[in-house]
Amino acid sequence: EPEVTQTPSHQVTQMGQEVILRCVPISNHLYFYWYRQILGQKVEFLVSFYNNEISEKSEIFDDQFSVERPDGSNFTLKIRSTKLEDSAMYFCASSEALRQLNRAFFGQGTRLTVV
Amino acid sequence: DAKTTQPPSMDCAEGRAANLPCNHSTISGNEYVYWYRQIHSQGPQYIIHGLKNNETNEMASLIITEDRKSSTLILPHATLRDTAVYYCIVIIADMRFGAGTRLTVKP
Repeated sequence: EPEVTQTPSHQVTQMGQEVILRCVPISNHLYFYWYRQILGQKVEFLVSFYNNEISEKSEIFDDQFSVERPDGSNFTLKIRSTKLEDSAMYFCASSEALRQLNRAFFGQGTRLTVV
Repeated sequence: DAKTTQPPSMDCAEGRAANLPCNHSTISGNEYVYWYRQIHSQGPQYIIHGLKNNETNEMASLIITEDRKSSTLILPHATLRDTAVYYCIVIIADMRFGAGTRLTVKP
């Protein structure tokens, strides 16, 4: 089965530093997503991306966050100045077509630890 | 998006059917019901989805009531590896997860 891959699996960064989390979606997929999960809490939607622009974002996705598809394969999430409360698992997902009609495939996540 | 309500936890004996309920009483006509699960902090995994007809695949069955206000996910023969948090999600726009049901399959 095709899979979404995320790198790194674990990143430790100092508060105030910038981090970039990387994702390689499934190759023929058109919709891309980022979610996060703070330890012990539910999976939270951050942003969706289609046709090289953000299609929807949550209230969590503030000016400290940005997403980019720098080339034909990668999809990145950048946090400009990390805070302690950004520590979480970050999941990337992709889906083939219209989001309500197709299942999303999730990566295994990047565990971000801000110290 | 329609709000979903699930019990916070359930137990099931290994080899028995696990029936996980979900209420979505405010669902609208073009919203799909999706089920995902998350095994121990791994990425959520798609299980099944439906609009109004019952659906079955190699993993599970989905029973949607005629009024579409509730659904049940059925794992016909639960194994220890099915222990996970199960999420019922109603989608018209982007997928938002609730708290889910933590299913524990016991030997």
